[in-house]
Amino acid sequence: DADVTQTPRNRITKTGKRIMLECSQTKGHDRMYWYRQDPGLGLRLIYYSFDVKDINKGEISDGYSVSRQAQAKFSLSLESAIPNQTALYFCATSSGRASYNEQFFGPGTRLTVL
Amino acid sequence: EDQVTQSPEALRLQEGESSSLNCSYTVSGLRGLFWYRQDPGKGPEFLFTLYSAGEEKEKERLKATLTKKESFLHITAPKPEDSATYLCAVYDSGYALNFGKGTSLLVTP
Repeated sequence: DADVTQTPRNRITKTGKRIMLECSQTKGHDRMYWYRQDPGLGLRLIYYSFDVKDINKGEISDGYSVSRQAQAKFSLSLESAIPNQTALYFCATSSGRASYNEQFFGPGTRLTVL
Repeated sequence: EDQVTQSPEALRLQEGESSSLNCSYTVSGLRGLFWYRQDPGKGPEFLFTLYSAGEEKEKERLKATLTKKESFLHITAPKPEDSATYLCAVYDSGYALNFGKGTSLLVTP
């Protein structure tokens, strides 16, 4: 069973639509992250959360919002999707026991905005 | 300024031909250097964490080493199933993992 799951795995949407990507984890980790991956640009952090009441912007948060519904659930929303948000999106988790731990990634969501 | 630079961008090896991948980093106060493996269309899979210069970690045919300026991922007698993109990352001044662009490894039979 996967420790970090993401839904949907693939999504095609149109410009201007609002969409939500969901992430769930069974690792018992406090910290959760959203990254996007683009060819030639690598992985970049969108938002991260250290607990249910803690939300922080990453390098590229414009056009995105997040919700931490529970320790195990972290959702990413695109309020009004645009074509340059076409990318692979990954959720990740890490333990909060030490400040700088390895992060564990989900399988990804491939998002296409037409 | 890039904090993490990986080389080469792509590497093609024959099965059994050992080689090394390089990850150079420019961050003050290293808080861990992380190696991941990523297969096409999948999430990065954690391999190793290195914290101090001189530290080494091994897993099967992979061995990661760390100096004050760079890390190497040594692949001994690779097999076709080792084909993947290998990523290294360090934490930036905050809590984001700053990834290099990766080395795409192809091992042919």
